[in-house]
Amino acid sequence: GQQVMQIPQYQHVQEGEDFTTYCNSSTTLSNIQWYKQRPGGHPVFLIQLVKSGEVKKQKRLTFQFGEAKKNSSLHITATQTTDVGTYFCAGEDSNYQLIWGAGTKLIIKP
Amino acid sequence: SAVISQKPSRDICQRGTSLTIQCQVDSQVTMMFWYRQQPGQSLTLIATANQGSEATYESGFVIDKFPISRPNLTFSTLTVSNMSPEDSSIYLCSVLGGTYEQYFGPGTRLTVT
Repeated sequence: GQQVMQIPQYQHVQEGEDFTTYCNSSTTLSNIQWYKQRPGGHPVFLIQLVKSGEVKKQKRLTFQFGEAKKNSSLHITATQTTDVGTYFCAGEDSNYQLIWGAGTKLIIKP
Repeated sequence: SAVISQKPSRDICQRGTSLTIQCQVDSQVTMMFWYRQQPGQSLTLIATANQGSEATYESGFVIDKFPISRPNLTFSTLTVSNMSPEDSSIYLCSVLGGTYEQYFGPGTRLTVT
């Protein structure tokens, strides 16, 4: 079945360092969505990428969708404590269901 | 974006009993989803619930164990039946937004003893 692989599982960074998480799909995606889940919270929609090669920015967050629409990345510049949480990618299938990546947990080193 | 509430927010239940989780949305939505999430894990889709039709269950989930109701466009319930400790998890409902993104309720944290 369709799978979305996400790496790394965890990333420990010093505050101010950058963070990147990567997703790869076994098949071409119609779109890819990114969500953030704070500790103890629920997933919150961040952005959707639809077009091949698309790049979108939200302040310090940069989202990319690969040319083949099989991979995507989220890059956070100069992390802050408010960025802590788990970031999930999710590819949409033809039934509007989401195929979720395993998530990357962003941990700020004390 | 939709505002979604869930009841209860958490519960501790004895094995063999059932719990019904409610999901209320502040606007009419066609598609609602029920997920399960183990702590530190990703989300697993249980079923899709459309108003006026039977819920569609994912592999590994059956109606007898997780009956779902969807009486109108703003409300749904998920029942976890004949619970065992393996059912301990966070249960989340979500709705489909206008551009096919999903909005989630705050979740129900279930512990089965």
